[in-house]
Amino acid sequence: DAKTTQPTSMDCAEGRAANLPCNHSTISGNEYVYWYRQIHSQGPQYIIHGLKNNETNEMASLIITEDRKSSTLILPHATLRDTAVYYCIVRGVNSGGSNYKLTFGKGTLLTVNP
Amino acid sequence: GAGVSQTPSNKVTEKGKYVELRCDPISGHTALYWYRQSLGQGPEFLIYFQGTGAADDSGLPNDRFFAVRPEGSVSTLKIQRTERGDSAVYLCASSLTGFNTGELFFGEGSRLTVL
Repeated sequence: DAKTTQPTSMDCAEGRAANLPCNHSTISGNEYVYWYRQIHSQGPQYIIHGLKNNETNEMASLIITEDRKSSTLILPHATLRDTAVYYCIVRGVNSGGSNYKLTFGKGTLLTVNP
Repeated sequence: GAGVSQTPSNKVTEKGKYVELRCDPISGHTALYWYRQSLGQGPEFLIYFQGTGAADDSGLPNDRFFAVRPEGSVSTLKIQRTERGDSAVYLCASSLTGFNTGELFFGEGSRLTVL
């Protein structure tokens, strides 16, 4: 699996957009970008994933650069409850290999301040 | 409930004892995963089940760790002769299938403390 690089921590003001970057410069054409988050004392929670196109759901937006070497997760109006560790993960699209599992790094601790 | 359930939520044991951690996945999910998370680290893969069989146990740290899923639903992670280094949060996740686009749903974890 391609490795990802994320900042260790970020701060954001409540009500503002939180933009979390992720570098995955060695990503291959058959790998998705996934985002999960983990609120303190809970298990990780799926947020969003994408392959090439930008994606949006009720939780967040995912912007993937044209060369796919980096992406940004956007929480449009961050709330205090969005304080969590955010993990950017790449995962292969093909069946077989080890594409069934997620490989987590250390993620970014996002702190939303009042 | 509809989510992944793990019991116990907390377990304190003494070095050398045997421990069992239970995971009840979402009904109908064929794929089940165990992860371990140490303080300040991301979850670390331990084992993956597809149905009743362990399709990938490459993450189990040594032969003191073993997991079963006899009927393709509930799974038990078993740790023999526990050591202080085994202290961590053990997370279970399930997925509808093992295919790469399947979302993993995680439980809240079992916190194991070995004294």
